[in-house]
Amino acid sequence: DTGVSQDPRHKITKRGQNVTFRCDPISEHNRLYWYRQTLGQGPEFLTYFQNEAQLEKSRLLSDRFSAERPKGSFSTLEIQRTEQGDSAMYLCASSEEDWVGTDTQYFGPGTRLTVL
Amino acid sequence: KQEVTQIPAALSVPEGENLVLNCSFTDSAIYNLQWFRQDPGKGLTSLLLIQSSQREQTSGRLNASLDKSSGRSTLYIAASQPGDSATYLCAVTSNTGKLIFGQGTTLQVKP
Repeated sequence: DTGVSQDPRHKITKRGQNVTFRCDPISEHNRLYWYRQTLGQGPEFLTYFQNEAQLEKSRLLSDRFSAERPKGSFSTLEIQRTEQGDSAMYLCASSEEDWVGTDTQYFGPGTRLTVL
Repeated sequence: KQEVTQIPAALSVPEGENLVLNCSFTDSAIYNLQWFRQDPGKGLTSLLLIQSSQREQTSGRLNASLDKSSGRSTLYIAASQPGDSATYLCAVTSNTGKLIFGQGTTLQVKP
């Protein structure tokens, strides 16, 4: 078990371009979460999946953002028409989903996005 | 709406000192509270998870306490070392499993 992986680790793009990030969770983890972290702040929840179903989305997830987990394994997060305000670290986490009271989320290393 | 606050935002201590990091939350209806460590530019590592029915958890030099009724948690680090330098984040778990984080406390332990 190699843990949660994310690709790419760093992405620099120009304003208006589309970007896509990938997250590979720990195998057999049912839940997958996306968070966004800006400098000096704690992570903020974006969305989560239970298997392939997207069960909750934050208001932070504007219509320019879309996330998928087509086969209940890896997930992608796409940002269309990027804006400078999208610059942040995008973190992915997975968990086994026992009861939420004991459920530990394991985080990946993150993808740092810089929008010029 | 649940809000999580951490005090202080930054802390610098000499090596060997015991220290306490504070976390408060506004809604006591939580499922658990977790403390994470984050090194610069890296992801998060879970340190301790306290279930809502528990009062404290210990791991090595770390001890975390939880007082749901007052909406407070503390992370106690004994005999601090330079390798403890990092940002420490607390987070509460909602009924859907999502984590709601504080803004973190950045700790520097000087040799």
